[in-house]
Order: sequence, then C-alpha cells, then structure tokens
Amino acid sequence: GESVGLHLPTLSVQEGDNSIINCAYSNSASDYFIWYKQESGKGPQFIIDIRSNMDKRQGQRVTVLLNKTVKHLSLQIAATQPGDSAVYFCAENSGGSNYKLTFGKGTLLTVNP
Amino acid sequence: DSGVTQTPKHLITATGQRVTLRCSPRSGDLSVYWYQQSLDQGLQFLIQYYNGEERAKGNILERFSAQQFPDLHSELNLSSLELGDSALYFCASSVAQQITNEQFFGPGTRLTVL
Repeated sequence: GESVGLHLPTLSVQEGDNSIINCAYSNSASDYFIWYKQESGKGPQFIIDIRSNMDKRQGQRVTVLLNKTVKHLSLQIAATQPGDSAVYFCAENSGGSNYKLTFGKGTLLTVNP
Repeated sequence: DSGVTQTPKHLITATGQRVTLRCSPRSGDLSVYWYQQSLDQGLQFLIQYYNGEERAKGNILERFSAQQFPDLHSELNLSSLELGDSALYFCASSVAQQITNEQFFGPGTRLTVL
C-alpha cells in the first residue's frame, strides 16, 4: 500500500487491547474536532466528531475525549482489532461556521494478532 | 467504497506542465472539497465548492484552481507544476456545506511531477 507519511508517531498494541491515540491541537478558538482513519492506499474515513461544548462523545467501540484546558484530544478504541491498523488523524475547525479545518500529522496504529 | 470517484488514479508529468484532476461526488451530495496530502505537509484543505459556487478557501496556491459543474462533478486544475506539487490529491463530498456534515473521501489521485 501507499505510505501516507514518514516519521509518524506510532502505537503498537495487541489484538483485544484498548488503544489510546492522542492529539494536541493548536487553536484555543477551535470549536469542532474530528477524528479520521486512513488505511494504506485509501482516503481518510470519518470516525467520530465532537463539539467544543462537550468533553466526551462515544461511538461504536470509539470514544473521543476533549480537554480544552490543555488543548488535548484523544481517541480511545476498545478491543482493538487488526482491521483498526491505520493512520489516525485529528482535525480542528477554527473558522466557526466557516470551513477552516487543520489536520494533525497523524499516528500510525499497528495491531498485532 | 465511499461513493466518491476520482480520476485518474495515478498521474506522472513534468515540471511546468498543467494537469486536471476530476472528482464525482456521492449521489445527492452538493458540497465538494479538495485536499492535498504530502509527506512533509500532511493533509491540507485546498478549497470547497457548494452547488457550483466557491464556499471556502484553504491553502490553495494561485497556480491551482478548481470549479464545480452543474452536474456537481468538480475539477482541480494544477498549472506550472513544480516538484513540490507531487502529492496525493483527495476529493471529498458532503450533503451540505456546513463543517459538521460528514465528508466522504475518494480514493485519491497520486500526482508525480518529474
């Protein structure tokens, strides 16, 4: 598959473990955040989003936590599976109702069977 | 399969040339976004169109332009190409224009400038 980036932070976990991927965002005015998953050779895929008036949001096997005090976002994946292996990006919108989405560099998650 | 199609899948060209990348959004989606993904810059938003009109602009160079046609497909034109323009170019679509609408990404076009 195609590489989406070199020198990415990496996280290696065992199948069945929980994974936590972290992201530090830059703009304290950002009001909307998204996590994307990108598998090798494919485009990014939406996982979960959260608005700045929330601290936590849960999806299917995923939870996003937002700490505005330290401008930190995390993605928790429960019972990680080999199919979760991918690069995970966070993105922040600092444009309010206008579109001004800035992406992080990404974290490479590898799930070992 | 996201339902967004992009052509071509790969494109190899020389510096100074001009290329056109094409995107067909998911059926029913009115909004189209273009992104560039390179090894050093990561994923960057270039431009958004909604129902034929430019809606938002990101880090798009003046050498680049885009348009969305009445049938809602979009084209990204890259001219006076430089080596640094080599990257993956993604198109995404969403139902409406708000940032909170989920975007569906296409498979990308890999551009190599020699």
